[in-house]
Amino acid sequence: DIQMTQSPSSLSASVGDRVTITCRASQGISNYLAWYQQKPGKVPKLLIYAASTLQSGVPSRFSGSGSGTDFTLTISSLQPEDVATYYCQKYNSASFTFGPGTKVDIK
Amino acid sequence: EVQLLESGGGLVQPGGSLRLSCAASGFTFSSYAMNWVRQAPGKGLEWVSLISGTDAYTYYADSVRGRFTISRDNSKNTLYLQMNTLRAEDTAVYYCAKGRSGVPAAINYWGQGTLVTVSS
Repeated sequence: DIQMTQSPSSLSASVGDRVTITCRASQGISNYLAWYQQKPGKVPKLLIYAASTLQSGVPSRFSGSGSGTDFTLTISSLQPEDVATYYCQKYNSASFTFGPGTKVDIK
Repeated sequence: EVQLLESGGGLVQPGGSLRLSCAASGFTFSSYAMNWVRQAPGKGLEWVSLISGTDAYTYYADSVRGRFTISRDNSKNTLYLQMNTLRAEDTAVYYCAKGRSGVPAAINYWGQGTLVTVSS
Protein backbone atom coordinates (compact mmCIF):
# COMPACT_ATOMS: atom_id res chain seq x y z
CA ASP A 1 0.00 0.00 0.00
CA ILE A 2 1.08 3.56 -0.69
CA GLN A 3 1.80 5.49 2.50
CA MET A 4 1.23 9.21 2.94
CA THR A 5 3.35 11.38 5.21
CA GLN A 6 3.05 15.05 6.10
CA SER A 7 5.48 17.56 7.53
CA PRO A 8 5.56 19.27 9.84
CA SER A 9 3.08 17.61 12.20
CA SER A 10 2.34 21.01 13.68
CA LEU A 11 3.36 24.60 13.20
CA SER A 12 2.79 27.98 14.76
CA ALA A 13 2.99 31.11 12.64
CA SER A 14 2.04 34.76 12.79
CA VAL A 15 -0.89 36.37 11.02
CA GLY A 16 0.24 37.33 7.54
CA ASP A 17 2.99 34.70 7.36
CA ARG A 18 3.41 32.39 4.39
CA VAL A 19 2.83 28.81 5.51
CA THR A 20 3.87 25.68 3.60
CA ILE A 21 2.82 22.11 4.40
CA THR A 22 4.38 19.14 2.64
CA CYS A 23 2.77 15.82 1.76
CA ARG A 24 4.77 12.89 0.42
CA ALA A 25 3.56 9.63 -1.13
CA SER A 26 5.68 6.50 -0.87
CA GLN A 27 5.03 5.84 -4.58
CA GLY A 28 4.00 8.06 -7.45
CA ILE A 29 0.33 9.04 -7.53
CA SER A 30 0.39 11.45 -10.49
CA ASN A 31 -1.80 14.38 -9.41
CA TYR A 32 -4.47 12.37 -7.55
CA LEU A 33 -4.01 14.39 -4.39
CA ALA A 34 -6.48 16.46 -2.36
CA TRP A 35 -6.09 18.79 0.61
CA TYR A 36 -8.68 19.22 3.34
CA GLN A 37 -9.07 21.64 6.22
CA GLN A 38 -10.69 20.55 9.47
CA LYS A 39 -11.43 23.20 12.05
CA PRO A 40 -11.92 22.11 15.68
CA GLY A 41 -15.29 20.45 16.14
CA LYS A 42 -16.17 20.70 12.46
CA VAL A 43 -16.31 18.33 9.50
CA PRO A 44 -13.48 18.44 6.96
CA LYS A 45 -13.67 20.82 4.02
CA LEU A 46 -12.14 20.28 0.58
CA LEU A 47 -9.60 22.96 -0.32
CA ILE A 48 -7.64 21.60 -3.29
CA TYR A 49 -8.10 18.64 -5.66
CA ALA A 50 -6.02 17.30 -8.52
CA ALA A 51 -3.01 18.59 -6.55
CA SER A 52 -3.46 22.22 -7.62
CA THR A 53 -7.11 22.97 -8.45
CA LEU A 54 -8.81 25.28 -5.98
CA GLN A 55 -12.26 24.10 -4.90
CA SER A 56 -15.00 26.62 -5.58
CA GLY A 57 -15.44 29.11 -2.75
CA VAL A 58 -12.02 28.55 -1.19
CA PRO A 59 -9.99 31.75 -0.66
CA SER A 60 -7.23 32.33 -3.18
CA ARG A 61 -4.58 32.52 -0.44
CA PHE A 62 -4.67 28.71 -0.52
CA SER A 63 -2.73 27.00 -3.29
CA GLY A 64 -1.41 23.55 -4.05
CA SER A 65 1.40 22.18 -6.16
CA GLY A 66 3.28 19.02 -6.95
CA SER A 67 3.00 15.78 -8.85
CA GLY A 68 4.24 12.24 -8.47
CA THR A 69 5.39 11.85 -4.87
CA ASP A 70 5.88 15.37 -3.48
CA PHE A 71 3.14 17.91 -2.89
CA THR A 72 2.74 21.19 -1.04
CA LEU A 73 -0.13 23.22 0.34
CA THR A 74 0.66 26.91 0.73
CA ILE A 75 -1.25 29.57 2.61
CA SER A 76 0.13 32.83 1.23
CA SER A 77 -0.96 35.02 4.15
CA LEU A 78 -2.12 33.18 7.27
CA GLN A 79 -5.38 34.43 8.76
CA PRO A 80 -6.85 33.72 12.21
CA GLU A 81 -9.67 31.70 10.62
CA ASP A 82 -7.08 29.33 9.12
CA VAL A 83 -6.41 27.71 12.50
CA ALA A 84 -7.15 24.07 11.72
CA THR A 85 -5.67 20.69 10.96
CA TYR A 86 -4.82 20.09 7.31
CA TYR A 87 -4.87 16.66 5.69
CA CYS A 88 -3.73 15.42 2.33
CA GLN A 89 -5.40 12.42 0.69
CA LYS A 90 -4.47 10.28 -2.29
CA TYR A 91 -7.35 9.06 -4.42
CA ASN A 92 -5.82 6.93 -7.11
CA SER A 93 -5.82 3.15 -7.29
CA ALA A 94 -7.76 1.09 -4.76
CA SER A 95 -6.82 2.89 -1.58
CA PHE A 96 -7.67 6.45 -0.62
CA THR A 97 -5.32 7.05 2.29
CA PHE A 98 -5.17 10.28 4.27
CA GLY A 99 -1.97 11.78 5.59
CA PRO A 100 -1.58 12.07 9.37
CA GLY A 101 -2.41 15.78 9.40
CA THR A 102 -0.67 19.07 10.13
CA LYS A 103 -2.01 21.25 12.92
CA VAL A 104 -1.71 24.98 12.26
CA ASP A 105 -2.16 27.65 14.89
CA ILE A 106 -1.39 31.31 15.41
CA LYS A 107 1.74 32.41 17.24
CA GLU B 1 -28.31 21.68 -1.48
CA VAL B 2 -26.37 18.47 -0.86
CA GLN B 3 -27.30 16.79 2.39
CA LEU B 4 -25.87 13.63 3.92
CA LEU B 5 -27.49 12.33 7.10
CA GLU B 6 -25.89 9.41 8.91
CA SER B 7 -27.67 7.19 11.40
CA GLY B 8 -27.21 3.88 13.17
CA GLY B 9 -24.31 4.66 15.46
CA GLY B 10 -24.26 3.71 19.11
CA LEU B 11 -22.67 1.54 21.77
CA VAL B 12 -21.86 -2.05 20.87
CA GLN B 13 -19.86 -4.78 22.58
CA PRO B 14 -16.62 -6.12 21.10
CA GLY B 15 -17.44 -8.79 18.54
CA GLY B 16 -20.82 -7.26 17.84
CA SER B 17 -22.35 -5.81 14.70
CA LEU B 18 -23.82 -2.50 13.64
CA ARG B 19 -25.28 -1.12 10.42
CA LEU B 20 -24.80 2.52 9.52
CA SER B 21 -27.01 4.32 7.03
CA CYS B 22 -26.58 7.59 5.16
CA ALA B 23 -29.57 9.28 3.54
CA ALA B 24 -28.48 11.49 0.66
CA SER B 25 -30.32 14.32 -1.05
CA GLY B 26 -29.70 17.30 -3.29
CA PHE B 27 -27.79 15.49 -6.05
CA THR B 28 -28.13 12.56 -8.45
CA PHE B 29 -27.05 9.89 -5.98
CA SER B 30 -26.37 7.12 -8.51
CA SER B 31 -23.87 9.27 -10.41
CA TYR B 32 -21.35 9.60 -7.61
CA ALA B 33 -19.00 7.38 -5.71
CA MET B 34 -19.59 7.41 -1.97
CA ASN B 35 -17.21 6.90 0.92
CA TRP B 36 -17.14 6.12 4.59
CA VAL B 37 -14.41 7.92 6.52
CA ARG B 38 -13.86 7.62 10.27
CA GLN B 39 -12.13 9.63 12.93
CA ALA B 40 -11.25 8.17 16.32
CA PRO B 41 -11.50 10.58 19.27
CA GLY B 42 -8.65 13.09 19.06
CA LYS B 43 -7.13 11.36 16.02
CA GLY B 44 -6.82 11.97 12.31
CA LEU B 45 -9.02 10.98 9.40
CA GLU B 46 -9.03 7.36 8.25
CA TRP B 47 -10.59 6.37 4.95
CA VAL B 48 -12.68 3.21 5.44
CA SER B 49 -14.45 2.25 2.22
CA LEU B 50 -15.69 3.44 -1.17
CA ILE B 51 -18.41 2.25 -3.53
CA SER B 52 -18.82 3.35 -7.11
CA GLY B 53 -21.99 5.06 -8.29
CA THR B 54 -23.33 2.03 -10.13
CA ASP B 55 -22.28 -0.37 -7.37
CA ALA B 56 -19.87 -2.00 -9.83
CA TYR B 57 -16.92 -1.98 -7.46
CA THR B 58 -16.01 -1.49 -3.83
CA TYR B 59 -12.78 -0.79 -1.96
CA TYR B 60 -11.80 -1.21 1.67
CA ALA B 61 -9.02 -0.16 4.01
CA ASP B 62 -6.89 -3.08 5.18
CA SER B 63 -8.05 -2.44 8.75
CA VAL B 64 -11.68 -3.30 7.94
CA ARG B 65 -11.50 -5.62 4.92
CA GLY B 66 -13.38 -8.85 5.61
CA ARG B 67 -15.33 -7.33 8.52
CA PHE B 68 -17.11 -4.33 6.95
CA THR B 69 -19.34 -4.27 3.87
CA ILE B 70 -20.31 -1.13 1.99
CA SER B 71 -23.46 -1.08 -0.12
CA ARG B 72 -25.93 1.36 -1.59
CA ASP B 73 -29.57 1.46 -2.68
CA ASN B 74 -29.80 3.99 -5.49
CA SER B 75 -33.61 3.73 -5.49
CA LYS B 76 -33.61 4.98 -1.89
CA ASN B 77 -30.64 7.37 -2.20
CA THR B 78 -29.07 5.59 0.75
CA LEU B 79 -25.56 4.39 1.55
CA TYR B 80 -24.86 1.65 4.08
CA LEU B 81 -21.97 0.26 6.08
CA GLN B 82 -22.44 -3.16 7.67
CA MET B 83 -19.86 -3.55 10.42
CA ASN B 84 -19.24 -7.02 11.89
CA THR B 85 -16.78 -8.38 14.43
CA LEU B 86 -16.30 -4.92 15.88
CA ARG B 87 -13.19 -4.11 17.89
CA ALA B 88 -12.36 -1.39 20.39
CA GLU B 89 -10.17 0.26 17.75
CA ASP B 90 -13.23 0.74 15.52
CA THR B 91 -14.51 3.35 17.98
CA ALA B 92 -14.84 6.57 15.99
CA VAL B 93 -17.12 9.09 14.38
CA TYR B 94 -18.11 7.67 11.00
CA TYR B 95 -18.68 10.15 8.19
CA CYS B 96 -20.59 9.53 5.00
CA ALA B 97 -18.80 11.44 2.23
CA LYS B 98 -19.57 12.16 -1.43
CA GLY B 99 -16.96 12.10 -4.18
CA ARG B 100 -16.68 15.00 -6.63
CA SER B 101 -17.36 12.69 -9.55
CA GLY B 102 -16.71 9.08 -10.49
CA VAL B 103 -13.84 7.12 -8.96
CA PRO B 104 -11.17 8.31 -8.41
CA ALA B 105 -12.33 11.56 -6.86
CA ALA B 106 -11.73 13.86 -3.95
CA ILE B 107 -14.49 14.25 -1.37
CA ASN B 108 -16.49 17.44 -1.68
CA TYR B 109 -19.32 16.88 0.81
CA TRP B 110 -19.38 15.33 4.27
CA GLY B 111 -22.17 14.37 6.62
CA GLN B 112 -22.08 15.42 10.26
CA GLY B 113 -21.06 11.93 11.36
CA THR B 114 -22.39 9.24 13.66
CA LEU B 115 -20.49 7.99 16.71
CA VAL B 116 -19.73 4.29 17.08
CA THR B 117 -18.42 3.16 20.44
CA VAL B 118 -17.16 -0.40 20.86
CA SER B 119 -16.87 -1.24 24.52
CA SER B 120 -17.95 -3.82 27.07
